Amino acid sequence: DQQVKQNSPSLSVQEGRISILNCDYTNSMFDYFLWYKKYPAEGPTFLISISSIKDKNEDGRFTVFLNKSAKHLSLHIVPSQPGDSAVYFCAALEGSTLGRLYFGRGTQLTVWP
Amino acid sequence: EAGVAQSPRYKIIEKRQSVAFWCNPISGHATLYWYQQILGQGPKLLIQFQNNGVVDDSQLPKDRFSAERLKGVDSTLKIQPAKLEDSAVYLCASSFEGRNTEAFFGQGTRLTVV
Repeated sequence: DQQVKQNSPSLSVQEGRISILNCDYTNSMFDYFLWYKKYPAEGPTFLISISSIKDKNEDGRFTVFLNKSAKHLSLHIVPSQPGDSAVYFCAALEGSTLGRLYFGRGTQLTVWP
Repeated sequence: EAGVAQSPRYKIIEKRQSVAFWCNPISGHATLYWYQQILGQGPKLLIQFQNNGVVDDSQLPKDRFSAERLKGVDSTLKIQPAKLEDSAVYLCASSFEGRNTEAFFGQGTRLTVV
């Protein structure tokens, strides 16, 4: 049973525009959320995170928004760059930072010039 | 700082054969994870070690998968016998004292079972 869902397998955006990647979850016990970025033939690398007590976290071009009532989070990349082309995984933690990570299926982002 | 090292990078075996993967975590990281990533899916935790003890192996298919972390550093993951559905990328990750928010992943081993 997929507790973290990324319903868009792919997204294509022009360079300079905003990329919005979406993620939904079903487990209300999740209290920490992370986004990972993965290039081909490499392992996932941590990008940005947000605690459930916040509704927004920003780091440079990357912003994550959390809507707890809707059990939805999104990653905004502004402006998008060709080097951002990768698979983005949404992940969630239950209970604490020591809990198990649950991953979504990922969204392939392609940023074209 | 050296990252998480895994070997081999690729492995092709026939079904019913056995295979082993090796992982060397980041120095000083007490927690080590093995994840399975099937094509088109996100990584799924198979087993988590804290030093050389198992913290979580609830999703490890114990009839065919085994893992050990002798001396609390390197780890090996074994599959015996392999099935076609075991074809996946096996990712090793490590973190300092179990903080999943600070886990670093290796490049993975791509296993193809034919």
